[in-house]
Amino acid sequence: DAGVIQSPRHEVTEMGQEVTLRCKPISGHDYLFWYRQTMMRGLELLIYFNNNVPIDDSGMPEDRFSAKMPNASFSTLKIQPSEPRDSAVYFCASSFRGEGNTGELFFGEGSRLTVL
Amino acid sequence: DQQVKQNSPSLSVQEGRISILNCDYTNSMFDYFLWYKKYPAEGPTFLISISSIKDKNEDGRFTVFLNKSAKHLSLHIVPSQPGDSAVYFCAASTYNMLTFGGGTRLMVKP
Repeated sequence: DAGVIQSPRHEVTEMGQEVTLRCKPISGHDYLFWYRQTMMRGLELLIYFNNNVPIDDSGMPEDRFSAKMPNASFSTLKIQPSEPRDSAVYFCASSFRGEGNTGELFFGEGSRLTVL
Repeated sequence: DQQVKQNSPSLSVQEGRISILNCDYTNSMFDYFLWYKKYPAEGPTFLISISSIKDKNEDGRFTVFLNKSAKHLSLHIVPSQPGDSAVYFCAASTYNMLTFGGGTRLMVKP
């Protein structure tokens, strides 16, 4: 059974360029999360969706960041324009919330972004 | 304001000995606590969890202890193995949302 699939695994770009990260959640999961991992902040939540609807985007650093979920099987995180301080590993995670569920998230392998 | 903190960025332990990873939290509304393990170039994977109504949960070599009065939890790994070397994230859940700590890098030396 396929897990959360992210692409690209690695992205190197120059400052000012647009970056688009993609995620395919586990089929049947109704929550999707975007996290960013940095040395300074650890794993920080950027935004999450429930049934394709953005619920909380308070973690999005600034207007340069945007995320969409056009359907239950696909989400994108876009950075435009990118800056060197955006360099990090971006994780997508999904989950299914039901009674008694502990809130366990299933993570993708991450997209490592380097902005020069 | 960090609601979940892992104050030790790294920990080194000899193979066969006990590893103890600690985590502190501030929000008394958290209802579940989870530990995730992360290897380099991989996403975090779920390891073990505990409900806020319990004080201990054990799964093989892994045991999580919760002290609600101190708002503290710990993960014990006994015996530690070189394959346990990874970054461990503590996470706390409320309203089905997870808040992560900054992680602790565990190195188990052969």
